[in-house]
Amino acid sequence: GDSVTQTEGLVTLTKGLPVMLNCTYQTTYSPFLFWYVQHLNEAPKLLLKSSTDNKRTEHQGFYATLHKSSSSFHLQKSSVQLSDSALYFCALRGSALGRLHFGAGTQLIVIP
Amino acid sequence: DMKVTQMPRYLIKRMGENVLLECGQDMSHETMYWYRQDPGLGLQLIYISYDVDSNSEGDIPKGYRVSRKKREHFSLILDSAKTNQTSVYFCASSLLQGVGQYFGPGTRLTVL
Repeated sequence: GDSVTQTEGLVTLTKGLPVMLNCTYQTTYSPFLFWYVQHLNEAPKLLLKSSTDNKRTEHQGFYATLHKSSSSFHLQKSSVQLSDSALYFCALRGSALGRLHFGAGTQLIVIP
Repeated sequence: DMKVTQMPRYLIKRMGENVLLECGQDMSHETMYWYRQDPGLGLQLIYISYDVDSNSEGDIPKGYRVSRKKREHFSLILDSAKTNQTSVYFCASSLLQGVGQYFGPGTRLTVL
């Protein structure tokens, strides 16, 4: 079945450093991937959605590239800010109509 | 202004009591969802609704039921709540063929 794996549960970084949050997926369907961000006590919000294979998509300084060859859609930012501290979810729209499969999430903590 | 609303935002119930969580959206989305979020488990799908009176079980439907009598409203019902149903519940909506879900602010339910 469809599934998403986020390998890091917690990432702690100093402000100004680059970050990459891992996301890999499994599906037999044509994949469409998303990154959602959830700040403390708030609702998840859509951050990024995938484009075509090997094409980078960007929003609010974050970027990700769908690589079908490695079934990955890693989230990156070149310089994290304190306000980037949040829970990040990778999600897959796979075979079941309308459904998203969410990863367990990666908590990003940015320290001064 | 596209919006998903949830009521109530906070709720405390005793074990065995009935619980009604309500969700509304003003985007005419045909598809609506109920998720629960627990630490380390990400977002787990309880039910999905494809339109009025067209509901399907998600991954963890046991102990829950739903009702959708109008396109803009989707209710989650817990008959005889259990302590392990203490969680944060999120409602979401999307176009069926859409590329992202919009989440409500969540309801924090505590069952004592």
